[in-house]
Amino acid sequence: EDKVVQSPLSLVVHEGDTVTLNCSYEVTNFRSLLWYKQEKKAPTFLFMLTSSGIEKKSGRLSSILDKKELFSILNITATQTGDSAVYLCAGGSKTSYDKVIFGPGTSLSVIP
Amino acid sequence: IAGITQAPTSQILAAGRRMTLRCTQDMRHNAMYWYRQDLGLGLRLIHYSNTAGTTGKGEVPDGYSVSRANTDDFPLTLASAVPSQTSVYFCASSDSGTSAEQFFGPGTRLTVL
Repeated sequence: EDKVVQSPLSLVVHEGDTVTLNCSYEVTNFRSLLWYKQEKKAPTFLFMLTSSGIEKKSGRLSSILDKKELFSILNITATQTGDSAVYLCAGGSKTSYDKVIFGPGTSLSVIP
Repeated sequence: IAGITQAPTSQILAAGRRMTLRCTQDMRHNAMYWYRQDLGLGLRLIHYSNTAGTTGKGEVPDGYSVSRANTDDFPLTLASAVPSQTSVYFCASSDSGTSAEQFFGPGTRLTVL
């Protein structure tokens, strides 16, 4: 059965800290690894990774995928209170539809 | 409209009543999805549609039905609501075939009493 596991499930850090969020996956017909940020409402897209070892960056956020070990990490440097959110990892596969299996999320709280 | 809209924003419903959650997108995406999000269980797929005129069952389809008469709209119907369908419902869309990235609507918070 396809599954995505995230760790830690929750995390509290101080502003300015660097955090690493972990995601491991077992997804049949794997095609991509996606990261989303969810604040009060809808998840918003952060990254899509399809190739191992190629880091994707967006400001203070970066992510990398290891397709051999079946995991991905999301790094956030110099955290700010606005980074407080649930970060969702998801594995994308191609079956009869564009299937996306979501992990439970990591709840990040950044305190001043 | 920019992106995906959902209606209503929230709803309290008596058990046994019929309810339709609406979803409209203006991105001309061919694929659309309905998820429910419950604490501790994450996002689970209810139904999907690869293109107008076709639909399929996701992980938790029981008690729900969908239709896809055109590209833009993808309503979700609860024929006879039960308390276990209390949840937050998200509609999403993607440009199937080019990317698995899904764009989400703002969600509908549904409470069934």
